[in-house]
Order: sequence, then C-alpha cells, then structure tokens
Amino acid sequence: NAGVTQTPKFQVLKTGQSMTLQCAQDMNHNSMYWYRQDPGMGLRLIYYSASEGTTDKGEVPNGYNVSRLNKREFSLRLESAAPSQTSVYFCASRAPELTNTEAFFGQGTRLTVV
Amino acid sequence: EDQVTQSPEALRLQEGESSSLNCSYTVSGLRGLFWYRQDPGKGPEFLFTLYSAGEEKEKERLKATLTKKESFLHITAPKPEDSATYLCAVHVSGSARQLTFGSGTQLTVLP
Repeated sequence: NAGVTQTPKFQVLKTGQSMTLQCAQDMNHNSMYWYRQDPGMGLRLIYYSASEGTTDKGEVPNGYNVSRLNKREFSLRLESAAPSQTSVYFCASRAPELTNTEAFFGQGTRLTVV
Repeated sequence: EDQVTQSPEALRLQEGESSSLNCSYTVSGLRGLFWYRQDPGKGPEFLFTLYSAGEEKEKERLKATLTKKESFLHITAPKPEDSATYLCAVHVSGSARQLTFGSGTQLTVLP
C-alpha cells in the first residue's frame, strides 16, 4: 500500500517564487491535512479538508492556499514564497468518521526559501 | 485554548535504562490521545491511541498510559533502535477532526 504520497521530497525556492506541493492518498479517507514542522515547535496545522469540496484554515494559514482536487488529492500552494516558509511540510489523511482513528502521514517535503 | 506540552525536550539513555516520556494536556473534551514515533527525515508513524483515563496500551518495549491531565510513554529496557522523536497529539470534541500536536521528545539510546 502506498498510503500517503507527497511530491516533491526536496525543493529550494527563491523569495517570491511560487510552487505547489502535491499530496495523494489511496486509503479512501475523507479528511486530509497539511502541517508544517519547525524545530522545537512540533507539527502545526496549516489547512485541512474534512471532505471533498471543503477546506478550512488551521493554526498557521497565512501565505498558503489549498485545493482539494478530489477525494484522493489535496495540494498546498505557496503564491509568493518567503524565508519564513522554510520548513518541512507533511500531508496527512484520516478517517475520523470511523470512530477516533489515527492520522497517516506522508514522508514530507523539505522546503528551503532563500 | 487547547495546549499539549511534552517533556523532556530531549532524553539520552543507556541501552537497558528504562524511563518515561510525558505528555500533559489542557483541553476541553478529550476524544483521544495519540502517540507517534518519528525517525529523522520521515513522517510520523502511529503507535497508540488512548481514549479514557486509566487506559493502557503496550507494544514491545513501549507502554502508554493516560490520566485526566497527562499521558506517559514508558520505555522498558530500550535499545538503540528505539532512538527517535516521540510525538503526542490530542483530538478534541468540536475541533472539526483536527489533531493538535506537542513539540516532541527526542530520545537517544546509547549502546
């Protein structure tokens, strides 16, 4: 099983450039999430999608946009990258409607903005 | 505001030296507490879910426990391969299915 797949794994951007991080899951989960992980700060929620066609802001949404393309795919877009967005980004999916289940994570995208 | 605090930030143990990691939480309406393991360069990997105070779960050298204010991850006779960052997260009622994470404990087990 592939689980949650993120692309790319590594990316270097110049300040002001834009890019889209891709995420796909093959577990038929309704809920999908984007987190960023910075040293000493744990995982912080950027955006989430409770179901296809819906998206909501998390704790740190500024500077990002998301698209829930279909049930499988949830992308994160940086329109104008800033050095403060240097981080490791994780996508996750979950099926919370099936009682209180765990989230499954991708392998992460390490983004550096110079 | 929901808060999750993990301690210590880092822990170094000798192989075979048992210890505990702490996850304290201040939330309204806990629906579940999750423990994850994260290896360098990888995504978090699920370990346990605890739902109510008094619950315990075990997996190999790890045992997770839950009270009304905190959870412990006990590591018995650890081995070097247990070295990783351990994360806890909570799911709170009315939080629209989000998980709130602590900052993690980085565990190093020396041979």
